[in-house]
Amino acid sequence: GDSVTQTEGLVTLTEGLPVMLNCTYQTIYSNPFLFWYVQHLNESPRLLLKSFTDNKRTEHQGFHATLHKSSSSFHLQKSSAQLSDSALYYCALSATGGYKVVFGSGTRLLVSP
Amino acid sequence: EAAVTQSPRNKVAVTGGKVTLSCNQTNNHNNMYWYRQDTGHGLRLIHYSYGAGSTEKGDIPDGYKASRPSQENFSLILELATPSQTSVYFCASGEGGVYAEQFFGPGTRLTVL
Repeated sequence: GDSVTQTEGLVTLTEGLPVMLNCTYQTIYSNPFLFWYVQHLNESPRLLLKSFTDNKRTEHQGFHATLHKSSSSFHLQKSSAQLSDSALYYCALSATGGYKVVFGSGTRLLVSP
Repeated sequence: EAAVTQSPRNKVAVTGGKVTLSCNQTNNHNNMYWYRQDTGHGLRLIHYSYGAGSTEKGDIPDGYKASRPSQENFSLILELATPSQTSVYFCASGEGGVYAEQFFGPGTRLTVL
């Protein structure tokens, strides 16, 4: 079945440094839809950005990601981390057409001064 | 923006007892979902629904039942609660389509003693 892998459980950064959170996926379907959700402490997950176009950069709220079907990746990046970026980030995949979304295990980002 | 509410927000149950978690959405979305969130596992899909009267098994349905009596309401039922079902449960709703955003409720923290 479909799966999403987020290799880092925890990423710690100093404010101002670049952010990169890894996401790879597996699916037999050729047209997957990829999402990044963010969950701040004591809040519920909310959509950060999404994409289905190969090799096209998608941006929102200072974050960006590019879907690369050749490497089955959808890494989340930001040029300069802020304290307010500290949160749990989920990469997610929708591919089967049955409206199910498969979430990765999540990466917690902690940004310190 | 979609409004998804859950009740109760916190629940302590005894092993072997019956637990019902309720979810209500006011945005007239067709699809509704129940997830559990555990550290290291991320968000895992328990049951979902395409509309009133329908329920589908997700990835981890064992020990759970679901009910969708109306467009607005989606319940998760634990007939015989076990300590392994201690978790945070999120309900979500979304429009049909693989590219659709999911809107999450505030979550229910369930502790089974």
